[in-house]
Amino acid sequence: GQQVMQIPQYQHVQEGEDFTTYCNSSTTLSNIQWYKQRPGGHPVFLIQLVKSGEVKKQKRLTFQFGEAKKNSSLHITATQTTDVGTYFCAPTDSWGKLQFGAGTQVVVTP
Amino acid sequence: DVKVTQSSRYLVKRTGEKVFLECVQDMDHENMFWYRQDPGLGLRLIYFSYDVKMKEKGDIPEGYSVSREKKERFSLILESASTNQTSMYLCASSFSQGMGTEAFFGQGTRLTVV
Repeated sequence: GQQVMQIPQYQHVQEGEDFTTYCNSSTTLSNIQWYKQRPGGHPVFLIQLVKSGEVKKQKRLTFQFGEAKKNSSLHITATQTTDVGTYFCAPTDSWGKLQFGAGTQVVVTP
Repeated sequence: DVKVTQSSRYLVKRTGEKVFLECVQDMDHENMFWYRQDPGLGLRLIYFSYDVKMKEKGDIPEGYSVSREKKERFSLILESASTNQTSMYLCASSFSQGMGTEAFFGQGTRLTVV
């Protein structure tokens, strides 16, 4: 399946700071989805990116798909305690099969 | 609201037992998935089904099988449970509509094999 590597694996952030998590693939991706999993919860869909160079924003979250469609990033500005959780990227194939990266676990210090 | 329901939240089974994990979705989704989640390894795909009676192996199918006799139900079977199958199991579903639609997850089943 399509393998993606997420970095960093862990991210400790001071409340109010910005951070970025990255998702990299050795192959060209058709599209990529991002999910968030709160501690003790299940993954919840955030967004899907399809086009080369696409940028989408959700309030303080900015998602980007690379020009070559081999990488993606999630940037969070002014981190809040509600941002705690693990963020996963997941490319899909033509059948809709989703394969997740290992995730970036985010811990926010007040 | 889309609902994906897993039959058990917690399960404890003995080594060698045959274990059934059930998942039901109520949104008429074509796709259904079974993942296992272990710390530091993310979600690893066990099996994927894109239609009734159709299935495709994921990255870690060994020791597992699946059944999809009806569109809304996708079962994961551990033929002979082993301690290394102790994990969190997550079921998900989505529409197929070509590439990439949002997946909805169940609450997960934490399985302990003793």
